[in-house]
Amino acid sequence: SAVISQKPSRDICQRGTSLTIQCQVDSQVTMMFWYRQQPGQSLTLIATANQGSEATYESGFVIDKFPISRPNLTFSTLTVSNMSPEDSSIYLCSVGRMKTSTDTQYFGPGTRLTVL
Amino acid sequence: SQQGEEDPQALSIQEGENATMNCSYKTSINNLQWYRQNSGRGLVHLILIRSNEREKHSGRLRVTLDTSKKSSSLLITASRAADTASYFCVYSGAGSYQLTFGKGTKLSVIP
Repeated sequence: SAVISQKPSRDICQRGTSLTIQCQVDSQVTMMFWYRQQPGQSLTLIATANQGSEATYESGFVIDKFPISRPNLTFSTLTVSNMSPEDSSIYLCSVGRMKTSTDTQYFGPGTRLTVL
Repeated sequence: SQQGEEDPQALSIQEGENATMNCSYKTSINNLQWYRQNSGRGLVHLILIRSNEREKHSGRLRVTLDTSKKSSSLLITASRAADTASYFCVYSGAGSYQLTFGKGTKLSVIP
């Protein structure tokens, strides 16, 4: 397993501003992912953070709104840009080797974002 | 949407009772996993069952998988108040590492 930390753990932001969320892992990992969990809902994959190249976004998510960086194998950031109240969610990063059918993903504690 | 469905959406039981949660999915899968989430925080991985397995145990947890019915169940025996959480059925499609999350079952264990 991996130990994952996220900063900030929570934030309250004003409409139109941006917030950058950091995800730090205690060991090098192959794959890093960013998820969104809207209030009372399940998790939805935003994108796969690729080390040294552009992230791979899922349908409904775009780079201009959710730019992602992954400068090395232990760190990634997700920025929520030009925020609106609809962006109020928990944002979680996860990591995993994902090379065999028994490899799983480990999740960070999440960042709870409220947009006013 | 390929999202899995959990049943029931909410479950309330007394401490010491068993809790059973069911999950259905729509695609061929590599494996199926169950995660727990406490109060909207991070997810904790509980157990993984591969597509060629039918049953798996881990402590008080028992997971079954029926690929012909595209369904799985999670049984928590002798429940404790600390088991109060949301439980998610999560699977990856055949040939994919991407996880698809079910809608979750909110379990409340009353002391």
